[in-house]
Amino acid sequence: ETGVTQTPRHLVMGMTNKKSLKCEQHLGHNAMYWYKQSAKKPLELMFVYSLEERVENNSVPSRFSPECPNSSHLFLHLHTLQPEDSALYLCASSPPGSDNYGYTFGSGTRLTVV
Amino acid sequence: SQKIEQNSEALNIQEGKTATLTCNYTNYSPAYLQWYRQDPGRGPVFLLLIRENEKEKRKERLKVTFDTTLKQSLFHITASQPADSATYLCAPARAGTALIFGKGTTLSVSS
Repeated sequence: ETGVTQTPRHLVMGMTNKKSLKCEQHLGHNAMYWYKQSAKKPLELMFVYSLEERVENNSVPSRFSPECPNSSHLFLHLHTLQPEDSALYLCASSPPGSDNYGYTFGSGTRLTVV
Repeated sequence: SQKIEQNSEALNIQEGKTATLTCNYTNYSPAYLQWYRQDPGRGPVFLLLIRENEKEKRKERLKVTFDTTLKQSLFHITASQPADSATYLCAPARAGTALIFGKGTTLSVSS
C-alpha cells in the first residue's frame, strides 16, 4: 500500500444510481486530488483540495461532486453518470511545499457505468 | 494552452539495453518536471523530480535531463530489466499548480 487508500477498488453502477468513492491518507499531506484516467487518454485533473478548501475544479460535470471533510479524507460523490464516465478514478495527496515532492497516489477505483 | 507530448506510445527494448523516453512540452515554462511509473490497474508511483535550473538528476539506474531551451526532458533507464516494464508518465509543472500529465510511454523490456 502507498499510504493513500481508495475504496472501493471496483464499482459497477447504473446510470440512475448514487454512489461515493472514498480516499484516505494519514501521511500528513495537506493537499488532495481527484484524477480520471480513461483508456488511451492522459490523466485528467478533476479537483484539487488544499487545506480542505477546493482550489481547482477543471470544468467537471456537476454529476461529480467532491467533498473534503478534513485533511485526511476525500470523497467523490457520483450521481446520474453516463457510460463515458467509466474509467479509473485516482486519488492523490501531496505534502506542504508540494513543488519539492512527488504525489502519492492510491490504487484507484475502477468504475463501470452500465 | 499547455501541451505535453510523450513521443512514443510504446517502446520495446532488450534486457540490458538503455531505454530512453522523451517528454516535450509547449506553450508554458515549467518550474520543475516529475516522472512517474504506472503499472496496469495501479496508481502512478513517483520516481524523480528535476528543477528548471538542474540539467540532470540521477537515482540508481535512472537518469533524467531537463533542457528548457528545447522544452524537453529525457528519461533514461540503464541496464534495463523485464521488471522495468511499465508505463512512464511525465508531468512538467508550473510552481504552485497541480500536476498535469502526459499520456505516457509504455516500456516493454524483453529477456
